Amino acid sequence: DSGVTQTPKHLITATGQRVTLRCSPRSGDLSVYWYQQSLDQGLQFLIQYYNGEERAKGNILERFSAQQFPDLHSELNLSSLELGDSALYFCASSPRGRAAPYEQYFGPGTRLTVT
Amino acid sequence: QQQVKQSPQSLIVQKGGISIINCAYENTAFDYFPWYQQFPGKGPALLIAIRPDVSEKKEGRFTISFNKSAKQFSLHIMDSQPGDSATYFCAAVSSGNQFYFGTGTSLTVIP
Repeated sequence: DSGVTQTPKHLITATGQRVTLRCSPRSGDLSVYWYQQSLDQGLQFLIQYYNGEERAKGNILERFSAQQFPDLHSELNLSSLELGDSALYFCASSPRGRAAPYEQYFGPGTRLTVT
Repeated sequence: QQQVKQSPQSLIVQKGGISIINCAYENTAFDYFPWYQQFPGKGPALLIAIRPDVSEKKEGRFTISFNKSAKQFSLHIMDSQPGDSATYFCAAVSSGNQFYFGTGTSLTVIP
């Protein structure tokens, strides 16, 4: 158990809909990262937050947005969903920020299925 | 444009053998090169990482070899065990905290 929690575990929704994925980082970790993992695109970095502020942006679509709240939990919002958005979405938290950004603890993921 | 290329896609090794996974990157402005291990149904987990000013790093049975001039790095798993059977991802991390992952290698260690 990494200490990172993600909800929900599974989500099935229709094209055009909007969903929110939630992540609670490990206690004390200020950094939260979001990733998308799919069979055709592999593992892709989406976005990073550090203590409530956006720190780095990867291959995140304009239809997607994220935020980190004062209690450090984070939410990833996916809107106008398309079939191609079906994937595993991982959240990870990091205790060391810039010193070792690769030291991340991944949550169990949310499996999103768009029908 | 794929920044990190990983090979092989899959690998089968006998127990006790050496597993070798290779990655090549295209951009010179990376600060870290980590490897992650992922078991089915789980999130990736950090295995080992190296900085570009170091040519080799060893942690237990896992070793990263780094060749800066060739823009290549590899993961060696010594004395491979069935419990090492998993998917392995290499990555390159820029100074701006951009993460670029390889496509993954599915390792199977046969008892």
